[in-house]
Amino acid sequence: LAKTTQPISMDSYEGQEVNITCSHNNIATNDYITWYQQFPSQGPRFIIQGYKTKVTNEVASLFIPADRKSSTLSLPRVSLSDTAVYYCLVLFYNQGGKLIFGQGTELSVKP
Amino acid sequence: DTAVSQTPKYLVTQMGNDKSIKCEQNLGHDTMYWYKQDSKKFLKIMFSYNNKELIINETVPNRFSPKSPDKAHLNLHINSLELGDSAVYFCASSQRRLAGSDSYEQYFGPGTRLTVT
Repeated sequence: LAKTTQPISMDSYEGQEVNITCSHNNIATNDYITWYQQFPSQGPRFIIQGYKTKVTNEVASLFIPADRKSSTLSLPRVSLSDTAVYYCLVLFYNQGGKLIFGQGTELSVKP
Repeated sequence: DTAVSQTPKYLVTQMGNDKSIKCEQNLGHDTMYWYKQDSKKFLKIMFSYNNKELIINETVPNRFSPKSPDKAHLNLHINSLELGDSAVYFCASSQRRLAGSDSYEQYFGPGTRLTVT
């Protein structure tokens, strides 16, 4: 059964590194993992996408272990403006191409 | 320049009515999507079109019917609205069809908040 699971909420302080993990036990070899950020009253916005090992861009890193049953979004040195809901999205290609979002992790960054 | 736009932004209507939400993208993308976000912030895909062809049709009541007049537009028509249809509906587009390793980022519209009373 295609499913993605994330923690419901996390708290952090400005300047800290935040790691949000998503579990996707039934991921197949070619399934991609994507992370989105959503602010209130806005649509989700793409952060990063990966397939295996590690991907880094100007705003985040994505770590995917060898078994690919989970992935971790890493936000370096968060600021107050990073307070948002973060979603992982997995395309379960071998399960009929199902696009499944995690339930979202509400990150609260405090001063 | 808005990449993915939706109209209306807010929609308040009574049970039993029929309503439509329009979506347009000016990114030249081939694929468009409709998502529903409920009060608990769950995002669930409803439909996807690739070059005007329906490619994803999740378990959605028949009262919901997507229509794609061209690849830049994907509209959502809802018949006989029910209280449970109240949600935020997001339109999105991607450069090409999400398929296995050829996965591309999706661009989301601002959402349409539908309230059924």
